[in-house]
Amino acid sequence: DAKTTQPPSMDCAEGRAANLPCNHSTISGNEYVYWYRQIHSQGPQYIIHGLKNNETNEMASLIITEDRKSSTLILPHATLRDTAVYYCIVSRINSNSGYALNFGKGTSLLVTP
Amino acid sequence: KAGVTQTPRYLIKTRGQQVTLSCSPISGHRSVSWYQQTPGQGLQFLFEYFSETQRNKGNFPGRFSGRQFSNSRSEMNVSTLELGDSALYLCASSSSGGPWETQYFGPGTRLLVL
Repeated sequence: DAKTTQPPSMDCAEGRAANLPCNHSTISGNEYVYWYRQIHSQGPQYIIHGLKNNETNEMASLIITEDRKSSTLILPHATLRDTAVYYCIVSRINSNSGYALNFGKGTSLLVTP
Repeated sequence: KAGVTQTPRYLIKTRGQQVTLSCSPISGHRSVSWYQQTPGQGLQFLFEYFSETQRNKGNFPGRFSGRQFSNSRSEMNVSTLELGDSALYLCASSSSGGPWETQYFGPGTRLLVL
C-alpha cells in the first residue's frame, strides 16, 4: 500500500473551515484514500473515503487532485468537538481481500475558540 | 445495536508472560481487525479475520497471533511479552470488510508490560 505524509499538527479557529492535507504520491490506480479521526481515548471513527472523484458526506468533503497524488479533507465549519487526530490512509482493498489499514501517526487538529 | 466490545479494558503483565485479549464485534459483522497503538509508532494494523480465517496480516512478529470463532468473536494472543508490547490494542469490525463499509472500533484494551 502507498505511504502517506501528513503534517503532525494544525490549528483551526472554531467556525472556520479546517483543511487537512495528505500527500500520497506513490498511490496506485486501484488504491482508495480513507480518512479516519480519533478523539482522545476513543477508537478511530470513519469519516470518508474516495477513489478519484471528490466526495462529500454529512461530516466532511474529500478533494482528491486529478493526478491522485494528494488529497485534502475539509471540515466546513470546525467545532471544538472536531479536535482530534486525523488519519489519511491509502489502501488497496477489493471485495475479497478485506481490510489492512495502516493508520500511522496522523495530524493532530486543535480547534480553538 | 450494541457496539464493539473488548475485554479486559486494562491489563498489567510482566515480561515473558503471555496475554489473551477478546473482541466481540457488532452483531452480524463477520470481519474483525486488530490494531496496536503506541505514541511512537501510531496506529498499526496487526491482522484481520473473516469467517474464522486470517485474511490479512500486518508486519508484526509471530508472537502476535489471533483467531476467530464461528460466532465472529475474536481473540488476540501475545506470547513472551516484551516491554515494547505496552500499547492500546484496538479491535474493529465491519460487515464483510469491503471498501464501501465503515469499520467500527471498540474502546480498546490498554496493556502495560512491566
